Amino acid sequence: AQRVTQPEKLLSVFKGAPVELKCNYSYSGSPELFWYVQYSRQRLQLLLRHISRESIKGFTADLNKGETSFHLKKPFAQEEDSAMYYCALMPQGGSEKLVFGKGTKLTVNP
Amino acid sequence: ETGVTQSPTHLIKTRGQQVTLRCSSQSGHNTVSWYQQALGQGPQFIFQYYREEENGRGNFPPRFSGLQFPNYSSELNVNALELDDSALYLCASSFRLAQETQYFGPGTRLLVL
Repeated sequence: AQRVTQPEKLLSVFKGAPVELKCNYSYSGSPELFWYVQYSRQRLQLLLRHISRESIKGFTADLNKGETSFHLKKPFAQEEDSAMYYCALMPQGGSEKLVFGKGTKLTVNP
Repeated sequence: ETGVTQSPTHLIKTRGQQVTLRCSSQSGHNTVSWYQQALGQGPQFIFQYYREEENGRGNFPPRFSGLQFPNYSSELNVNALELDDSALYLCASSFRLAQETQYFGPGTRLLVL
């Protein structure tokens, strides 16, 4: 079964503090992993994906195949990072669907 | 470059009715995927269209159907609406290669009374 788990529904940190949003997945093959973000009143947009290995807005994510995790990290959170974050996997081959987690709402307090 | 657009933005229907939602792909994209996002949940895959044919389907009944047109725009049709169909319906477009990024539209919020 293909499943993405984001254990924290809500996460609150102070500005300047490090932040880590957890994502664990269940998939037997080699999936591509994504983080999407939805800011208030905006559409769902790609934040980063594993294969590109880019750092976007200071966020990074490392794929740990042993722990089947793809946690999102940022060393110093900013107020504008407050948003809904979704982790998603795309199975290898076949229909290129995205399997999403339920999301984590991040609030960065001043 | 034009992004993904969806219409209408909001819709209210009653149980048993039928609804059609529309999506225009981002320029240069040839694949459209539809997702249902219930309140407090992540998006769930409904189906995908590539070259006007269904290319994969999630766990949704046959009353959810779709079309893709030669210009790569798409429709999602839902027959015999049920209260649980109330959700945000998202369309995403991509260029079909291996595990390409999907770009989302703003969604259509459907309320079934």
